[in-house]
Amino acid sequence: QVQLQESGPGLVKPSQTLSLTCGVSGGSLTSSGGFYWSWVRQHPGKGLEWIGNIYYSGSTEYNPSLQSRLTISIDTSKNNFSLKLRSVTAADTALYFCARVWRTTMLTPSWFDPWGKGILVTVAS
Amino acid sequence: QSALPQPASVSGSPGQSITISCTGTSSDVRTYNYVSWYQQHPGKAPKLIIYDVSDRPLGVSDRFSGSKSGDTASLTISRLQPEDEADYYCSSYTSLSPVVFGGGTKLTVL
Repeated sequence: QVQLQESGPGLVKPSQTLSLTCGVSGGSLTSSGGFYWSWVRQHPGKGLEWIGNIYYSGSTEYNPSLQSRLTISIDTSKNNFSLKLRSVTAADTALYFCARVWRTTMLTPSWFDPWGKGILVTVAS
Repeated sequence: QSALPQPASVSGSPGQSITISCTGTSSDVRTYNYVSWYQQHPGKAPKLIIYDVSDRPLGVSDRFSGSKSGDTASLTISRLQPEDEADYYCSSYTSLSPVVFGGGTKLTVL
C-alpha cells in the first residue's frame, strides 16, 4: 500500500525559504493518473489548512492565500514531490502533512488518503 | 476561502450517538457530492473515515456515517466508544479554491 513520508528541516529562519519533500513508497506518483498529490498544514492547536495540489504532469493548484510565496514541484524519477514556501514568518510555523488526493470523474480533487505522519516546522531565529 | 463552520466541540456518553455538522455554500457542499470527513487523534495524522458524502473506506467501522442536506453535511457516530474521542474535520471540493477544510470539532466521550 502507498505510504508517504515528509522530510526537511525542522527549523527555518524568518525571511528564508521553507523546503520540504514528500517521499512516496509502495506505488508510483504516475500510477493510473487518478490522483493529485497535496500539502496540508496545521498550525499549533488549530485546524487543517490546504496548501496546494500537484498532478503527475506538473500542473498545480494553490491556496490563493499562499500562492504568491508557494511552489510545489514533482520529481517522478525520484517518486517524490516538494514544497517551497518563500519569505516565511512565525505565522508559517506548523505541522506540515503530505497526502494523496483522489481525483473525481469531474477531474477535481476529492478525498485525502493516505497521509504522511507530518513534520513540524518552526520558523524562528 | 474561510474554513467551513463546524461546532467547536460535541460530547456524548459511551453507547450514545452524536452528529457533527459542516456548513457550506452553493460553491461547495450544496452543489458537489465531494465531502469527506477525517478523524485526528492528538499527535497523529488525519485518517479518512467518510468520502463522497456517505461512503466508508474499507476497514472503517460502520458506526461512522455521513449525509448531506442542502448546504450542510453531517457526520454521525453511533454507539460511541472511548477511542472515538478525537478531532473531526470535514472537507469539500469548492469551485472557489478548490479544496476547503472545516474548522474542526473536538469530540469528548464522557
